[in-house]
Amino acid sequence: AQSVTQLDSQVPVFEEAPVELRCNYSSSVSVYLFWYVQYPNQGLQLLLKYLSGSTLVKGINGFEAEFNKSQTSFHLRKPSVHISDTAEYFCAVSAVGISSGSARQLTFGSGTQLTVLP
Amino acid sequence: KAGVTQTPRYLIKTRGQQVTLSCSPISGHRSVSWYQQTPGQGLQFLFEYFSETQRNKGNFPGRFSGRQFSNSRSEMNVSTLELGDSALYLCASSLGFPNPTDTQYFGPGTRLTVL
Repeated sequence: AQSVTQLDSQVPVFEEAPVELRCNYSSSVSVYLFWYVQYPNQGLQLLLKYLSGSTLVKGINGFEAEFNKSQTSFHLRKPSVHISDTAEYFCAVSAVGISSGSARQLTFGSGTQLTVLP
Repeated sequence: KAGVTQTPRYLIKTRGQQVTLSCSPISGHRSVSWYQQTPGQGLQFLFEYFSETQRNKGNFPGRFSGRQFSNSRSEMNVSTLELGDSALYLCASSLGFPNPTDTQYFGPGTRLTVL
């Protein structure tokens, strides 16, 4: 089984400042890693995903994340945030190479509320 | 292309009643997954369907059930509602046979309140 820990439940940051949202995972098998964003009263939208290859992954809206296998982390970063980035961010994992349907299951972290202040 | 649609968007029920929620995937998508989102438990996987067959099920009691139709539309049903079933129920669709590398596209959710 996999588990995901998002270390910060709330992150306030001023507009145009950089931000890092932290995510650590635990798994007995290799995993795929995802970051989703949820705006108020909306569903989740995929920001980026790591499947294999380069450990630095670039996503939409200027976000990027780096996979660190030794530290089992997948932190999300943005060099300069905007008011419109205010939302809840979820890190998620799913298992690699499991042939049963359970491989499809996304296991989510508890979320980080990013609030961008003017 | 239209996104994932869920109906109704808001629902209020009382304990003991049952409820049916509907999800229409993106046109051409054949896999549909359901998730429950609550402040206490976060996002939890309910079940996944492909080609009218349940492919995977999360750790929820039998009161939670679902089905998928030949046009890939899906419904989930909760019987004998409990206060703890109050949640945002999210549906997600993806293109083909369940594959963890496929992107899941989420709908806006149905907010269920149980009184």
